[in-house]
Amino acid sequence: DAGITQSPRHKVTETGTPVTLRCHQTENHRYMYWYRQDPGHGLRLIHYSYGVKDTDKGEVSDGYSVSRSKTEDFLLTLESATSSQTSVYFCAISESGGGSYNEQFFGPGTRLTVL
Amino acid sequence: GQQVMQIPQYQHVQEGEDFTTYCNSSTTLSNIQWYKQRPGGHPVFLIQLVKSGEVKKQKRLTFQFGEAKKNSSLHITATQTTDVGTYFCAGPRYSGNTPLVFGKGTRLSVIA
Repeated sequence: DAGITQSPRHKVTETGTPVTLRCHQTENHRYMYWYRQDPGHGLRLIHYSYGVKDTDKGEVSDGYSVSRSKTEDFLLTLESATSSQTSVYFCAISESGGGSYNEQFFGPGTRLTVL
Repeated sequence: GQQVMQIPQYQHVQEGEDFTTYCNSSTTLSNIQWYKQRPGGHPVFLIQLVKSGEVKKQKRLTFQFGEAKKNSSLHITATQTTDVGTYFCAGPRYSGNTPLVFGKGTRLSVIA
């Protein structure tokens, strides 16, 4: 498996609290992604990064922000968590974007429950 | 934007039966990728198809990319319990260096 870790692996929080999820890679890959996975919806892209300090929105970015200050770390922040953000969050990395024929490697996931 | 539809959503088979999942895109794809996610696990890359009409095999798995590069299929011959999981297809959201858009996946159950 590629060197990708996510922390925490499990988190329970209350509505209205801020939450930060961390993704750390040791592969020196340029691209990093945050997805959420919900039953019936598959994998949906939240935000992605194509370099340090370079980020862009995905299809479900409302209520989420990201930061990438180092190549190896990509943070996902829920400023004020809501119950609709209860999900499994996956981080992924790739050497380049999907148009350049490179596969994505996924982290183990973070299960977030917002009460 | 790009949409990728995948059918069926669920498939239950007896061990030894064949299985096929289909992926259809609303636009022409430069490439398509397939991933497998075991229950409780994370998606794992299986293969990438690039050329029109391409066929690739991995043991009992056969992957095809349509001539128009808008559809793809994954066929598993003689399923085994180790094939259990959800299979996703994914294609670039737009042309160039863009993220992937994933289909919703086909969940395969294999009854021993």
